[in-house]
Amino acid sequence: DAGITQSPRYKITETGRQVTLMCHQTWSHSYMFWYRQDLGHGLRLIYYSAAADITDKGEVPDGYVVSRSKTENFPLTLESATRSQTSVYFCASSPSGANIQYFGAGTRLSVL
Amino acid sequence: SQQGEEDPQALSIQEGENATMNCSYKTSINNLQWYRQNSGRGLVHLILIRSNEREKHSGRLRVTLDTSKKSSSLLITASRAADTASYFCATENKAAGNKLTFGGGTRVLVKP
Repeated sequence: DAGITQSPRYKITETGRQVTLMCHQTWSHSYMFWYRQDLGHGLRLIYYSAAADITDKGEVPDGYVVSRSKTENFPLTLESATRSQTSVYFCASSPSGANIQYFGAGTRLSVL
Repeated sequence: SQQGEEDPQALSIQEGENATMNCSYKTSINNLQWYRQNSGRGLVHLILIRSNEREKHSGRLRVTLDTSKKSSSLLITASRAADTASYFCATENKAAGNKLTFGGGTRVLVKP
């Protein structure tokens, strides 16, 4: 199906475990973004990518790792999950810079 | 830190009434966007207004931008129950490059 998809939709993990959240888009958009959404903080940018093999930090990158070997995929890895990383994570893509962004449905992550 | 701050944080109105929400920001922008988020879903782009524009319409939506006051407003006319959602402003800042900074959002409840 065309669009932007995130998987899994829900994930429960334990502190210290590694978790990878997947994001896949079919539009060949050059830009991709990862945000976390927490009550009281709105959306905060974790990492973004301008193209394959080009990534950069956002506002809250600590504890996260990204890669982008292919234009359509932008996985987000929590190397050693902490309770403070319990959140809803959104992936987005954009055909250029910071024009309109298209969001996935989100992944709700709980770290116990 | 949040560039955009929405006001009010929550709004409850009757179907058919107008809903107005405001967004203030701190630094110079290239454009300002409004997004809607239904419960449990990703954000959906509504409208973009550039820094050299003062007003823009899209269906029942009207957006204004006052760069001298660093503020924007979103008006939803003749609201419907389906307009129940959270609304976020997002700014593309001249200093921050090709990224969007989101505000904390306004939760709108439209009662039938």
